[in-house]
Amino acid sequence: QVQLQESGPGLVKPSETLSLTCTVSGVSMSSYYWNYIRQSAGKGLEWIGRIYTSGTTNYNPSLKSRVTMSVDTSKNQFSLRLSSVTAADTAVYFCARGAGGYFDSWGQGTLVTVSS
Amino acid sequence: DIQMTQSPSTLSASVGDRVTITCRASQSISAWLAWYQQKPGKVPKLLIYKASSLESGVPSRFSGSGSGTQFTLTISSLQPDDFATYYCQQYDDYPWTFGQGTKVEIK
Repeated sequence: QVQLQESGPGLVKPSETLSLTCTVSGVSMSSYYWNYIRQSAGKGLEWIGRIYTSGTTNYNPSLKSRVTMSVDTSKNQFSLRLSSVTAADTAVYFCARGAGGYFDSWGQGTLVTVSS
Repeated sequence: DIQMTQSPSTLSASVGDRVTITCRASQSISAWLAWYQQKPGKVPKLLIYKASSLESGVPSRFSGSGSGTQFTLTISSLQPDDFATYYCQQYDDYPWTFGQGTKVEIK
């Protein structure tokens, strides 16, 4: 059974870079897209972007200038970097497996707070 | 971006009730729509994909219908475990977008 686990700092200072890693277990990363989604009280659920095992990415245009996703299939991991964060980036960040454009398996989520 | 609008925002219902939640897209998305259930402090759970396909393991009391711009999620007989917030999500065009959610609460 597929399992996803987010890891990374829970507190990031304004203007710095948020970095998260999602570790995938129980399934090969091949043949799926791997996504990051965030949820905040103010904006609800927001899709950030996705990456295929080839390295092909699609990003939300509203975040594209600040987002970088990468994948390391040897470690069964994919990662998110979000630069120049502000308080508006405070949210619970989820990683999720994409089966087409929907999300059939999710990590438990990690709260990232942007504050000095 | 394609805007997804759910109605109602909150729904009060009793165990055994038939419940219908509506999701409207700002432009046609064919049948590229998914529904999720989320309980407080928990992860969203996929219920329905491609508008009407039931995800494996999801009880058959959940069903989805619609195409184009109007979609519905129906719970045929509400169970205690179904009190939660429900979200629709389109995956017809980037960026994928979600509705604002419909909270189903106990009447």
